[in-house]
Amino acid sequence: EAQVTQNPRYLITVTGKKLTVTCSQNMNHEYMSWYRQDPGLGLRQIYYSMNVEVTDKGDVPEGYKVSRKEKRNFPLILESPSPNQTSLYFCASSLFGQRDRGNEQYFGPGTRLTVT
Amino acid sequence: DAKTTQPNSMESNEEEPVHLPCNHSTISGTDYIHWYRQLPSQGPEYVIHGLTSNVNNRMASLAIAEDRKSSTLILHRATLRDAAVYYCILRDSFGGAGSYQLTFGKGTKLSVIP
Repeated sequence: EAQVTQNPRYLITVTGKKLTVTCSQNMNHEYMSWYRQDPGLGLRQIYYSMNVEVTDKGDVPEGYKVSRKEKRNFPLILESPSPNQTSLYFCASSLFGQRDRGNEQYFGPGTRLTVT
Repeated sequence: DAKTTQPNSMESNEEEPVHLPCNHSTISGTDYIHWYRQLPSQGPEYVIHGLTSNVNNRMASLAIAEDRKSSTLILHRATLRDAAVYYCILRDSFGGAGSYQLTFGKGTKLSVIP
């Protein structure tokens, strides 16, 4: 089954304790990205990657890092989490490179992060 | 980026058709119209997309106005499972990697009444 998986699904942590949220897709997609969703602000893109070793900032990258060492994985790293990073996080993937921007994006189930 | 305007909420009776409108008066000639939906406690899910012609798939139909300044997502028979927030999004077909970003507005919250 084609899918995007995220782990963990729920995480409560304390300020400053480094954490990683994993994202994996089994569709051989080149493009992967991370979004956060906050009430009243909608979904905002954090980082994206066009392929292995190619990443770029989205609209809200501060406080986050990513890496793309393998095509299927795109982990989101919070080196020193703060309470304002409490949010619902979604990973997404799609094919990349075709002129038709109709490539649908597949989203993971979400990771609810609470930083106290 | 060109913006879209959608009603905040709509209601439909179960098994009735639903027409979800979207205005995009500043759409450019290279913008595709995409629809995604987000069911409660889930990630967004692709529904349909189109450029100029009306489109049908197993989930819905997309009707695009001749001047492309508006479009309508049509669910032919609403079910309880269709209760979700529906997002209308424009994507530039000639943009770079940054155009793959989906800009989600507030969307339309669809309630389905049994």
